[in-house]
Amino acid sequence: GAGVSQSPSNKVTEKGKDVELRCDPISGHTALYWYRQSLGQGLEFLIYFQGNSAPDKSGLPSDRFSAERTGGSVSTLTIQRTQQEDSAVYLCASSLLGLAVTDTQYFGPGTRLTVL
Amino acid sequence: QKEVEQNSGPLSVPEGAIASLNCTYSDRGSQSFFWYRQYSGKSPELIMSIYSNGDKEDGRFTAQLNKASQYVSLLIRDSQPSDSATYLCAVRPSGTYKYIFGTGTRLKVLA
Repeated sequence: GAGVSQSPSNKVTEKGKDVELRCDPISGHTALYWYRQSLGQGLEFLIYFQGNSAPDKSGLPSDRFSAERTGGSVSTLTIQRTQQEDSAVYLCASSLLGLAVTDTQYFGPGTRLTVL
Repeated sequence: QKEVEQNSGPLSVPEGAIASLNCTYSDRGSQSFFWYRQYSGKSPELIMSIYSNGDKEDGRFTAQLNKASQYVSLLIRDSQPSDSATYLCAVRPSGTYKYIFGTGTRLKVLA
């Protein structure tokens, strides 16, 4: 079946502009995660959704970052007034339930954001 | 602070050899363990999950879990140059949704 999809695959923007990154999880997956990966670095957790609710936003780096999820499906990560340090690959992942022992996370292809 | 530790490598092995990747974790209550493979410029791809002590085999891959010693390992038999990638260990503590990732071990399989 279809995996996690993300759009756009690449985004180049100018410093100070706003950007929106989209994630379509695997159909039926209730849990959705956003991560950020800077060049050569590990995965940095940003936010977790269970359904449309975000019980954990602790990883969002600043108030310029926000995310929403509608209909228990598509999620959008918005970065306002982008800065050069926001340049990274933004990864979305989804899993079926979120809390079950056997629950497993699957990643999308990522969006590479470059802020000039 | 819940942590997952991996040797960053690179771990170099000749083609056809067994590659052994190790991971230790700090949260003794963890119940779910995962290995992901990440090729350069690509997103992480699930290789294996393991939940019980012992070995779990899938093709050329074997995951080993020892909860008492708090380590999980991944063995790759008959390593191929196409196995060259960064391998991420992820641990999910019991009762949480959060995955704790290690920084990954870079594996190089030499032809």
